[in-house]
Amino acid sequence: GESVGLHLPTLSVQEGDNSIINCAYSNSASDYFIWYKQESGKGPQFIIDIRSNMDKRQGQRVTVLLNKTVKHLSLQIAATQPGDSAVYFCAENRTGRRALTFGSGTRLQVQP
Amino acid sequence: EAGVAQSPRYKIIEKRQSVAFWCNPISGHATLYWYQQILGQGPKLLIQFQNNGVVDDSQLPKDRFSAERLKGVDSTLKIQPAKLEDSAVYLCASSSPQGTGGSVEQYFGPGTRLTVT
Repeated sequence: GESVGLHLPTLSVQEGDNSIINCAYSNSASDYFIWYKQESGKGPQFIIDIRSNMDKRQGQRVTVLLNKTVKHLSLQIAATQPGDSAVYFCAENRTGRRALTFGSGTRLQVQP
Repeated sequence: EAGVAQSPRYKIIEKRQSVAFWCNPISGHATLYWYQQILGQGPKLLIQFQNNGVVDDSQLPKDRFSAERLKGVDSTLKIQPAKLEDSAVYLCASSSPQGTGGSVEQYFGPGTRLTVT
């Protein structure tokens, strides 16, 4: 069946280091991918998105990479800060279907 | 711009009781979603509204869950009767459509944490 999943449940990094969070998807029909950040007690917050006709997209301190050949998505956070500590979800969407399919999440812990 | 509002924030009920959650989306957002997020998992769509019509309720357990959006703005999600496995955070999200098939950003509310004992 189709799924959006993550490789690592918990990622611990030192403050100032770069973080990389990975995500695999199985539905080749997926054409839009989003990364969300969820802090404790809050709803998911949009970070960055990418369409399937792109390989890379950059935001402020964040970069999303998409490898359609192996159905892999990654989120890179530069100079990780304590405020980046949260659970990160990748989600996918297909043209014609607005609702998102979420993966199970990766917890990012930033050590001071 | 005010965000998506949800109430209550927390609710504890016994199994077989009923509960209702309320959501007020961002003003002007025609699309409203209810997601269920079980602890340690990603959100799972329960139902999607476009204005006051249902677009997708394929994953809604209709024997016990119901939702409505009568005037195309606020929405309520009800569970009757609740089961232990319904313990989760119920998230409401809204988005503004950008044409057919467009991918749009969804804005989430803080959620309602339901505990069924």
